[in-house]
Amino acid sequence: GAVVSQHPSWVICKSGTSVKIECRSLDFQATTMFWYRQFPKQSLMLMATSNEGSKATYEQGVEKDKFLINHASLTLSTLTVTSAHPEDSSFYICSARGGYSADTQYFGPGTRLTVL
Amino acid sequence: GEDVEQSLFLSVREGDSSVINCTYTDSSSTYLYWYKQEPGAGLQLLTYIFSNMDMKQDQRLTVLLNKKDKHLSLRIADTQTGDSAIYFCAESYSSASKIIFGSGTRLSIRP
Repeated sequence: GAVVSQHPSWVICKSGTSVKIECRSLDFQATTMFWYRQFPKQSLMLMATSNEGSKATYEQGVEKDKFLINHASLTLSTLTVTSAHPEDSSFYICSARGGYSADTQYFGPGTRLTVL
Repeated sequence: GEDVEQSLFLSVREGDSSVINCTYTDSSSTYLYWYKQEPGAGLQLLTYIFSNMDMKQDQRLTVLLNKKDKHLSLRIADTQTGDSAIYFCAESYSSASKIIFGSGTRLSIRP
């Protein structure tokens, strides 16, 4: 139980286009979802926290207009990278909290974004 | 401020014990975690310890916490090739607050 999936697992796009990444909790209801960014050989940096039905809370330095987060249901959150540029290339990981152990964050497998 | 530090690399011989160390700065941290990340994958929670505990053991994993020194360690007994991964130390104030991750320690196993 407590499986989190992400789609797509990898994506390559042209500079200036927008990319949407989905995060789903497959077998539990996620009251809170988190989006992280990981640069090569570096740690995870929290980008934003989203609660179902309300606006996401962004970390300092993260542009909310560039990284649009929607948490429309208890099993789905989306991250849209708008007008992507090469410096947005990174590994994006989501996590979800809820289900059997509300204290635990369950992580998705990540999405590798490459912007050409 | 919040900061979690780890050494970047550790190499051990197969069958030996691995000890990964971590220090943190936030004395109000209540939850201390160890996560494992295999290449190209997300994070897997290995174990966590509450700040009022000194030690936690789960099969081959032993977590030691020295709250006075803000030092956390993860010992993996009888290290196997499947243990090769990056191990992240992390902390949070509460189960509902954000998790702060360390930079990760890359564990490699030599025959």
